[in-house]
Amino acid sequence: DQQVKQNSPSLSVQEGRISILNCDYTNSMFDYFLWYKKYPAEGPTFLISISSIKDKNEDGRFTVFLNKSAKHLSLHIVPSQPGDSAVYFCAARDYSGAGSYQLTFGKGTKLSVIP
Amino acid sequence: NAGVTQTPKFRILKIGQSMTLQCTQDMNHNYMYWYRQDPGMGLKLIYYSVGAGITDKGEVPNGYNVSRSTTEDFPLRLELAAPSQTSVYFCASSYMPSGTTDTQYFGPGTRLTVL
Repeated sequence: DQQVKQNSPSLSVQEGRISILNCDYTNSMFDYFLWYKKYPAEGPTFLISISSIKDKNEDGRFTVFLNKSAKHLSLHIVPSQPGDSAVYFCAARDYSGAGSYQLTFGKGTKLSVIP
Repeated sequence: NAGVTQTPKFRILKIGQSMTLQCTQDMNHNYMYWYRQDPGMGLKLIYYSVGAGITDKGEVPNGYNVSRSTTEDFPLRLELAAPSQTSVYFCASSYMPSGTTDTQYFGPGTRLTVL
């Protein structure tokens, strides 16, 4: 039972255009959502996050939108650059008890930005 | 700061062998985590620790053990390796509970193959 779903395994975008990566979730108890970026042979690195009480968070070329009623979030990258080519993981946080939280990850979307 | 370091980078085990995956962080983070990533899948939490001497199970703990005797180190032990444990293992740490603007920092991973 996947609580965090990234239904597109891959996405190709031309350099300079917008990349939109999507993520759906089922657990209404998630209180934070995060995007991680992963290059081959490296660990994931944090990109951007959003609280469940907000609907938008922007950081430079990266914007995350949250539609809580639809249980959907998306990551927009504008403009896309070849260095953005990586696997992007959506993750969601919920409380696991005793003052601790856990992240649940989606399967990832491989973004390829074509020069 | 080296961040989160993991050793070894690669390992091949025979069925039934045991090994310890090492993880060290030099950021004085309280929270540490072990994840596994199977091909085409997201990261799944194996074990986590909220501080020295305190560990707890994540989503997929069977076949693994952990200990946390110091703030810096969080080794993961495989007692009887099985082919189902073939995966890439990531260690992560965070200062606060995961999420918000304090994210988890990941090590580069250990690629384990069990034959």
